[in-house]
Formats: sequence, structure tokens, C-alpha cells
Amino acid sequence: QVQLVQSGAEVKKTGASVKVSCKTSGHTFSPYSITWVRQAPGQGLEWMGWINAFNGKTNYAQKFQGRVTMTTDTSSDTPATTAYMELKSLRSDDTAVFYCARGVGAMSSWGQGTLVTVSS
Amino acid sequence: DIVLTQSPGTLSLSPGERATLSCRASQSVSGGYLAWYQHKPGQAPRLLIYGASNRATGIPDSFSGSGSGTNFTLTISRLEPEHLAVYYCQQYGSSPHTFGQGTKLEIK
Repeated sequence: QVQLVQSGAEVKKTGASVKVSCKTSGHTFSPYSITWVRQAPGQGLEWMGWINAFNGKTNYAQKFQGRVTMTTDTSSDTPATTAYMELKSLRSDDTAVFYCARGVGAMSSWGQGTLVTVSS
Repeated sequence: DIVLTQSPGTLSLSPGERATLSCRASQSVSGGYLAWYQHKPGQAPRLLIYGASNRATGIPDSFSGSGSGTNFTLTISRLEPEHLAVYYCQQYGSSPHTFGQGTKLEIK
């Protein structure tokens, strides 16, 4: 059974960066992709982008271009098991729950979510 | 970008009733790549429907999806208290893979 386990809650100052991890078990996610989605308090789901764990290709939402970096721990001889999403230059309106999910579109397996709180 | 508009914003129905949720796209969704998710507070979203009309693994047949082009519908045939949630549509036919703003389903 596929499981995605994310890192714990973070509290950051405005202007700082945060890096959230997403560890998969029950399968090797290469050549799957990992999508990142966030939900601000009282708001809906917002698609941030995805990373292809096989070739490292990324596709970011225009809104996050230049501030977000998605990576995996893929090495040449072992399947990737962990994905990362780093968001830089944090603002107060980046306060949200961040989710990772397996696949690109129609994601059936999700992490539990990571709350990132940004304050001054 | 494709904008998905869901209606109604809130739907309040009684157990046993049928719920019909709408998702309209600002332009045609390529390949019918439209998904529906159920999202309960404190939980991760749950995939219900993919490809507009295909139920995801383990999803009961009380959930059904239909539509094509720019108009899509999620139907819950017999409401139960556990269906209380926010439901989102998402198109993944073209980037960015946008979500609708959600429909909150209340059970009377």
C-alpha cells in the first residue's frame, strides 16, 4: 500500500525559506511524479506544480516561479523515495497546509499535510 | 489558464437525497482530464473520480461523474452524514492543473 509521509509543522519568519519533505513507502515512486498542492486557511486547494522523479523534470505554477524548487533524492543506483518542496521569500499569505500527492492529475495517494506558518 | 467554477458554493441536503455538483471550465478540458476530490477537515483530499466519469479504487457507486468539454457534474445518489465535506474538481489536461473553488456539502 502506497504511503506518503510528510515532515512536521514549521514556523517561519517572513523572508525565510521552508523545505517540506514527502517520503514514500510501499512502492518506489520513480517513474511516478509528485505533485504539490497547498491550502491556505479558509481557502481552497491550490496547485503548485509537480516533479517527475524519473528525469527530474519540473512544472511549476506561474505564481510560484522563482520562489519554489521541487526536488527528489533520486540517485543513480537506488530508486527515489523522498521528494522535497522548498519555498523561498516567505510571506504571511504563504501560511498554509502543504500536501504532496503521487502522480500528475487525479492523485490517489496523498501525504498527511504539513502546516507552514509564516509570521513576522 | 483554465478557470474552473463550481456551483453551488454551498449545498444543504438531507440524508437519502441526491446531490448534484457542477464544475464549469472556462475552456474545454483536454482529453476529459477532470477529477473530483472529497476533502474533509484535517484530512488529505480523497480522489473520487478521474477522467470525468471513472470511479477511483474503492469509491462506492453512490458517487458518479459525468460531462465533457466545459461542463462536468458529480452526483452523489444517496446522501449519508459521512458525505459532509468540501468537493473540488480539478482539470489536469493542461498546465496549470487548476482546481475549482470547491462546493461545501452540508447534511441537514
